[in-house]
Amino acid sequence: GQNIDQPTEMTATEGAIVQINCTYQTSGFNGLFWYQQHAGEAPTFLSYNVLDGLEEKGRFSSFLSRSKGYSYLLLKELQMKDSASYLCAVVPSGSARQLTFGSGTQLTVLP
Amino acid sequence: DGGITQSPKYLFRKEGQNVTLSCEQNLNHDAMYWYRQDPGQGLRLIYYSQIVNDFQKGDIAEGYSVSREKKESFPLTVTSAQKNPTAFYLCASSDGAARPYTEAFFGQGTRLTVV
Repeated sequence: GQNIDQPTEMTATEGAIVQINCTYQTSGFNGLFWYQQHAGEAPTFLSYNVLDGLEEKGRFSSFLSRSKGYSYLLLKELQMKDSASYLCAVVPSGSARQLTFGSGTQLTVLP
Repeated sequence: DGGITQSPKYLFRKEGQNVTLSCEQNLNHDAMYWYRQDPGQGLRLIYYSQIVNDFQKGDIAEGYSVSREKKESFPLTVTSAQKNPTAFYLCASSDGAARPYTEAFFGQGTRLTVV
């Protein structure tokens, strides 16, 4: 079976740094995605990790440890527009490419 | 511009009716997906298709049906058998042959409400 866990809610202050964690237990692993979703809108792609380590992309970084079944998304220099839900999604093994999503972490950035 | 389009944005259905949600993409992607999202929850997979004229059930397929007659189109029908259809429905597509995996692109969603 598939199990992906994320905190339900987080709050941080504008200009600060926040780390959103994701742990997973899936039948095989072909990579992990992070998406951002504003309320009532489509998710938008942030990052993809398939090898262990840190991937940096501007203010956002994503880390993966396959042995621990763990990933985190790091957001630096928080802005008000970063208030959104952050979805962790895993690609299980097999030929199909459907994603298994966590429930999402609702981040609120306060002034 | 390339993208994925869902219509309508809002849809109201009377109990006992079937409704069809449209999803069209011009990204030349082989794979397409339908997800359902309930308030405060993540996305759950309804159906997916890796190639024209072929599709598979996802985790919550009961009460839904799909077709994939054209590469560009993957409509979802919510039947009267779906007991709790009120939700936000998202269609996505991805390049089925890409290595490493590429991200899925999402449509803007259809919010379905049963009245």
